[in-house]
Amino acid sequence: EDQVTQSPEALRLQEGESSSLNCSYTVSGLRGLFWYRQDPGKGPEFLFTLYSAGEEKEKERLKATLTKKESFLHITAPKPEDSATYLCAVPKSSSASKIIFGSGTRLSIRP
Amino acid sequence: SQTIHQWPATLVQPVGSPLSLECTVEGTSNPNLYWYRQAAGRGLQLLFYSVGIGQISSEVPQNLSASRPQDRQFILSSKKLLLSDSGFYLCAWSQGGASSYNSPLHFGNGTRLTVT
Repeated sequence: EDQVTQSPEALRLQEGESSSLNCSYTVSGLRGLFWYRQDPGKGPEFLFTLYSAGEEKEKERLKATLTKKESFLHITAPKPEDSATYLCAVPKSSSASKIIFGSGTRLSIRP
Repeated sequence: SQTIHQWPATLVQPVGSPLSLECTVEGTSNPNLYWYRQAAGRGLQLLFYSVGIGQISSEVPQNLSASRPQDRQFILSSKKLLLSDSGFYLCAWSQGGASSYNSPLHFGNGTRLTVT
């Protein structure tokens, strides 16, 4: 069965303290992995798409990487405004139109 | 540019009452359209998706239904709400047709539904 698992569930960091969020997946024939940021009470905001193992994408303090089994979202020198829930998602093996999500990592950055 | 509108932002409804949530997309044609539900502190559960007018796929058997009467309009409905229908409902779109492969979802700002 296709699954997406994110860890940790919650992460509290001091401003400037770098860390990584993990997204592991079990999907046959990966056809892309998506990262989103979600602020409280809002819809998720698209960040990155990764297509193949070894690929990396960057945006400001965020860098996403992909292996054959998992993806990491690295956050370098975070600021309080980076506090949000980060979600990853993949298309199901049976249909690329069906996108399934992990339960997210709630990131909190203390000033 | 493309925009997605979802309303209302919040809704409080009694058990047994009907529901209609509407979502429209502008700036694109023949999009794939989706309804997700998010329980508090949880991930997103796919409820319905549509690749064209009148074409609806249901992912989870439940008290809800969806319709797509126009190319860029997606409606989520219920005839009688249950307490368990409470949650955060999100509409999303992605590129449809030949462009749908690997196309990310773009979300509206959601509707917070409380069934009392």
